Parts: sequence; structure tokens; C-alpha cells
Amino acid sequence: DTAVSQTPKYLVTQMGNDKSIKCEQNLGHDTMYWYKQDSKKFLKIMFSYNNKELIINETVPNRFSPKSPDKAHLNLHINSLELGDSAVYFCASSPGLGEAQPQHFGDGTRLSIL
Amino acid sequence: QKEVEQDPGPLSVPEGAIVSLNCTYSNSAFQYFMWYRQYSRKGPELLMYTYSSGNKEDGRFTAQVDKSSKYISLFIRDSQPSDSATYLCAMLRGTSYGKLTFGQGTILTVHP
Repeated sequence: DTAVSQTPKYLVTQMGNDKSIKCEQNLGHDTMYWYKQDSKKFLKIMFSYNNKELIINETVPNRFSPKSPDKAHLNLHINSLELGDSAVYFCASSPGLGEAQPQHFGDGTRLSIL
Repeated sequence: QKEVEQDPGPLSVPEGAIVSLNCTYSNSAFQYFMWYRQYSRKGPELLMYTYSSGNKEDGRFTAQVDKSSKYISLFIRDSQPSDSATYLCAMLRGTSYGKLTFGQGTILTVHP
């Protein structure tokens, strides 16, 4: 039973399109995150939500808009996709915001922009 | 300069070898230190979690933190082919609300 699941696993689309990635966790966690991993494997946080409230909003183009309909779900919508958006996007969750709260990652969504 | 530096490798060792993976960091506010393992086409999984300086051991894995040198290490004893993966160090400041800062990751291959 997958703890943090993302859909789709692969996404290939044209430049300029709008797409969404969905994430669900069944761990009962309060906090969820979106990370971007570039081609050099460098993983960087984009957003985090705690109990549906936006906590972290890194320097990310406003074409990226997260949405948390409930504690178990965090979606990422991307408008006007650009070549530089090609990356692997990881969702993660943790029990809460405290420092001792380990983060559990999904297996990623591989986004390729043509 | 990145806040966390990690040699991307690749590192190739024979089965049974002791592996040493390292990260250096520049921000003295980091207090929590983690090592994640990432298999190909999978998400990172937490291996070790330490607070402040010192050692922590879990089976074949030992994590070391030296805050005075801003240097952390992960040692893998009796390495196995199943240890072949990318190893990512990650760090947290005390009041960062879960904002992990990752190193670039070191690609490790353990060959039989």
C-alpha cells in the first residue's frame, strides 16, 4: 500500500500547455511538500502545506500554483509550460512541521517538455 | 556557492568495501542532518537522521556530524550491490518548518 503516491508517473507535453500533477498520502500526516529535482539530481523545495495552509513558498515562477483540497492531498498546477520546467517533481509528507519530523517521498512525476 | 556541497561521484567500489560519503555546508544554522538513499526512478528514502554533532549507528550505516568543521559523513560497512544508489545529504535549520536543503547526491555503485 503506497504511502505517498503521485499521478501521473510520466508526463510528456508541448511547450505552452497547462498541466497538473496530483499527490496523495495515506500516512495521516499534516504536512505535504513539493520538490523539484533537476537533471543533475539536485533536489530543491518549492512549496509546503500544513493542514491545507501554505507554509513555504520558495522563489518559484507564479506559473506554478499548488493547491491542497485536504490534508491528504496536494496538487501542483503548472501554466504555460516552458522547456526549463522539464524535471522530476517529488511530493513528500511529514507528520508535522517540527524539525524531528522525517519526510517521506513519493516516486516522482517525470515531466518532459517538447 | 551552494549551501551544501556534495561530490557527485560517481563512486565505484567492490562488494564488501567500506564506503565513505561526505557533505560540507556553509550555514552554521543547520542543526538537523539526514542521509537519504535514492534508487533509480524512485523517491528518496530516509536512511539516517541526526541532531547536532556526534555519531549515530544503524546496522551497517554510521552517520557522523562535525559541526565545528561543518562536515557530515555516512559510512557503509560491508557494502552490498543492493547499496548501489544515489545518496543525498540533507539539512534543516532549527526554525525552517521542514525546509530541507539537499546536497547534489553521490552516485554509488557496488560491484560484485
